[in-house]
Amino acid sequence: DTGVSQNPRHKITKRGQNVTFRCDPISEHNRLYWYRQTLGQGPEFLTYFQNEAQLEKSRLLSDRFSAERPKGSFSTLEIQRTEQGDSAMYLCASSLITTVNNEQFFGPGTRLTVL
Amino acid sequence: AQSVTQLDSHVSVSEGTPVLLRCNYSSSYSPSLFWYVQHPNKGLQLLLKYTSAATLVKGINGFEAEFKKSETSFHLTKPSAHMSDAAEYFCVVSDRNSGNTPLVFGKGTRLSVIA
Repeated sequence: DTGVSQNPRHKITKRGQNVTFRCDPISEHNRLYWYRQTLGQGPEFLTYFQNEAQLEKSRLLSDRFSAERPKGSFSTLEIQRTEQGDSAMYLCASSLITTVNNEQFFGPGTRLTVL
Repeated sequence: AQSVTQLDSHVSVSEGTPVLLRCNYSSSYSPSLFWYVQHPNKGLQLLLKYTSAATLVKGINGFEAEFKKSETSFHLTKPSAHMSDAAEYFCVVSDRNSGNTPLVFGKGTRLSVIA
């Protein structure tokens, strides 16, 4: 257990529905990252926050995806009008800004299945 | 741009024999390199990291990796495989001089250990 928690662990939804995932990072970590992992692939970067500011978004993050970190603590990732291609494991990671080597601590992930 | 190539998608070894998981990286900057392990239905766990100190890095559970700049490689080894080592392993690169870059993952190598 790294200290990063994610909820829910599993989500099954029908195409077209909206879903929201939550990530609670390690309490003193000011950086928070979201990654997506599809079957047979390594995780791919989606977006990251430094405190409450969203500093970078990947091209993978279509306009149906939105992420927030309102108070610089927990973060939410929302997917609107889900598609079957959104089915994946969504991973959250956190790190300290002072970490010189960018070591990140990962949560257990939320597995999304879109029917 | 940074990238990672894991040369084998699947490696199978007998219990008690050596493990070698191969990784080559490409980075325009001084890289930080990591190996993460992912057991089924578990989160990503850091095995070891290279951050420019010693080129031979020791990690948890008896794993080691050697950074070879001339070969742009960071292969993961273990002298004697255990059944509990069966998992998915990811080689990861990051820009050491900038804490803002996301981690870039390889596609993973699935390690099977045969009794």
